[in-house]
Amino acid sequence: GESVGLHLPTLSVQEGDNSIINCAYSNSASDYFIWYKQESGKGPQFIIDIRSNMDKRQGQRVTVLLNKTVKHLSLQIAATQPGDSAVYFCAENANAGNMLTFGGGTRLMVKP
Amino acid sequence: GAVVSQHPSRVICKSGTSVKIECRSLDFQATTMFWYRQFPKKSLMLMATSNEGSKATYEQGVEKDKFLINHASLTLSTLTVTSAHPEDSSFYICSAGLGGENTEAFFGQGTRLTVV
Repeated sequence: GESVGLHLPTLSVQEGDNSIINCAYSNSASDYFIWYKQESGKGPQFIIDIRSNMDKRQGQRVTVLLNKTVKHLSLQIAATQPGDSAVYFCAENANAGNMLTFGGGTRLMVKP
Repeated sequence: GAVVSQHPSRVICKSGTSVKIECRSLDFQATTMFWYRQFPKKSLMLMATSNEGSKATYEQGVEKDKFLINHASLTLSTLTVTSAHPEDSSFYICSAGLGGENTEAFFGQGTRLTVV
């Protein structure tokens, strides 16, 4: 079936560097994408979202890029901080209300 | 943003007993809520869609008689794990959204269930 997946299970970066987390999706009907951050033992926390009519959206220290041609989504975190250490999930919504399909997750580890 | 509260955050129960997990939308009404299950170091897997005033819609492979869902009001959905087994031990997470054109989902804090 259609799914959302990630290329890298673990990403280790130096504090202050930029981080890039990638995600591939296969449901061409998806029109809304979200990045979530999940810390250990907690529920997912919304980071940033993007609709399919956009290819880039920026937030505070975070940028999401969407390439519909190759069905690829990425999350860029600028000046990565120790507090950014967590598991990051991409999720997609294919016109199903608030129901989401999640990718496999990437663990971001920030080295001091 | 909207707040979704989940209770309890952690529960330990004996095999064969039932456990109820609550999911509440605190500052908005949710006609639809979603229940996810997450195994260690794995992603969230949708279990079922909880619909206010009607039966829940279960994903393939999820036993509806084992995971009872009740959505009796616009602010509360409950998930009851019946006759719990150790393999039911997992992290259960609910989400809800404002609906309509607002597709953002808000998540509860999750419930860590351990069946011994």
